[in-house]
Amino acid sequence: KNEVEQSPQNLTAQEGEFITINCSYSVGISALHWLQQHPGGGIVSLFMLSSGKKKHGRLIATINIQEKHSSLHITASHPRDSAVYICGEFGGSQGNLIFGKGTKLSVKP
Amino acid sequence: GAGVSQSPRYKVAKRGQDVALRCDPISGHVSLFWYQQALGQGPEFLTYFQNEAQLDKSGLPSDRFFAERPEGSVSTLKIQRTQQEDSAVYLCASSLVLAGVDTQYFGPGTRLTVL
Repeated sequence: KNEVEQSPQNLTAQEGEFITINCSYSVGISALHWLQQHPGGGIVSLFMLSSGKKKHGRLIATINIQEKHSSLHITASHPRDSAVYICGEFGGSQGNLIFGKGTKLSVKP
Repeated sequence: GAGVSQSPRYKVAKRGQDVALRCDPISGHVSLFWYQQALGQGPEFLTYFQNEAQLDKSGLPSDRFFAERPEGSVSTLKIQRTQQEDSAVYLCASSLVLAGVDTQYFGPGTRLTVL
């Protein structure tokens, strides 16, 4: 069974702090997604990666295929980064995503 | 349109009512997914379409749930005889290509509350 575990579940940080959110998955995958969900529900795809590292602005995602582990880093965090961050792996043969429960991030000014 | 749209955004139903939730994917996107998100949880897969063909419905929780995409674009998720446990946000996502590794674009979701 595909399982995706995220840690921590909740994270509170002060503005400017470096943030790391972790994701572990149970089976070999072709790609792993990081998504951002703001209050009100809208989901935005941040990264899709299958190896190495990707960077977009202050966000960095890394993946270690051998260890079945991915991390999302936020540098110089800002209150507008407050959201739920969800990782998901392709779990089905048809391309559906299997998601973790999410990490709720709150960045205080 | 520019993105995936869903309607209605909010739906309140009395237990036992039937509801229909609509998804308009990005034009030209082949793949369409429905997910259910309970409060405080990550989304969970319900069903998947490739054009008009429903290729996977393994995530539908019961036979009260039915989805269709008759012309390969707009999709409707129907829930019959709604129950309180059906209360959740229903998310639709589309992607450009066939099954496999591709970015999924999500709609804003429909929040269903069953009283």
